[in-house]
Amino acid sequence: SQQGEEDPQALSIQEGENATMNCSYKTSINNLQWYRQNSGRGLVHLILIRSNEREKHSGRLRVTLDTSKKSSSLLITASRAADTASYFCATDAYSGGSNYKLTFGKGTLLTVNP
Amino acid sequence: DARVTQTPRHKVTEMGQEVTMRCQPILGHNTVFWYRQTMMQGLELLAYFRNRAPLDDSGMPKDRFSAEMPDATLATLKIQPSEPRDSAVYFCASGFTYTSGIENTQYFGPGTRLTVL
Repeated sequence: SQQGEEDPQALSIQEGENATMNCSYKTSINNLQWYRQNSGRGLVHLILIRSNEREKHSGRLRVTLDTSKKSSSLLITASRAADTASYFCATDAYSGGSNYKLTFGKGTLLTVNP
Repeated sequence: DARVTQTPRHKVTEMGQEVTMRCQPILGHNTVFWYRQTMMQGLELLAYFRNRAPLDDSGMPKDRFSAEMPDATLATLKIQPSEPRDSAVYFCASGFTYTSGIENTQYFGPGTRLTVL
């Protein structure tokens, strides 16, 4: 089963509005990352938040992490049509020895209407 | 501007044929990943390498898939024989992992869109 799951599966908003996407995960993590994927393209890293951090900002992005609830949220403020994409959270999961691997959720499809 | 490159970008083949996908990771990265993305399953990790050694290929069908890193600048994913259910977008990603083993940012290539008829 997926380590990280995004909610909602799809979100449609008007340009200028804020978009909030959530991610829940099951086991303890070292860090959580958010990626964006435009249609037909590879994933692009947006932001990484470590397990000892509670909030992080990057431009119009704000990420929060609540390890007690095993959840994270991604807020995009003042959205633009160019923000239309799928957004994925990824959490590291222990994979044996001293190794961890990222596990991706199925993503939230964000549509920003002009 | 360093980026991961993948070839080919598109591949259409017939069932039973061999398919080879290639990836050039970003210079200096020590970890390479192969993912498969479909509408139904989402993004699945097939295999990954660190310092060219395979660490985990549990996500890969062993009977038909193989992944190798002949050198630090080339990773390959082969499917032989290919089947229609292998149709998907295959992504390569690279990153730098410290000795703690904790994964950091991954940089994705543009993907290979495979269609098996």
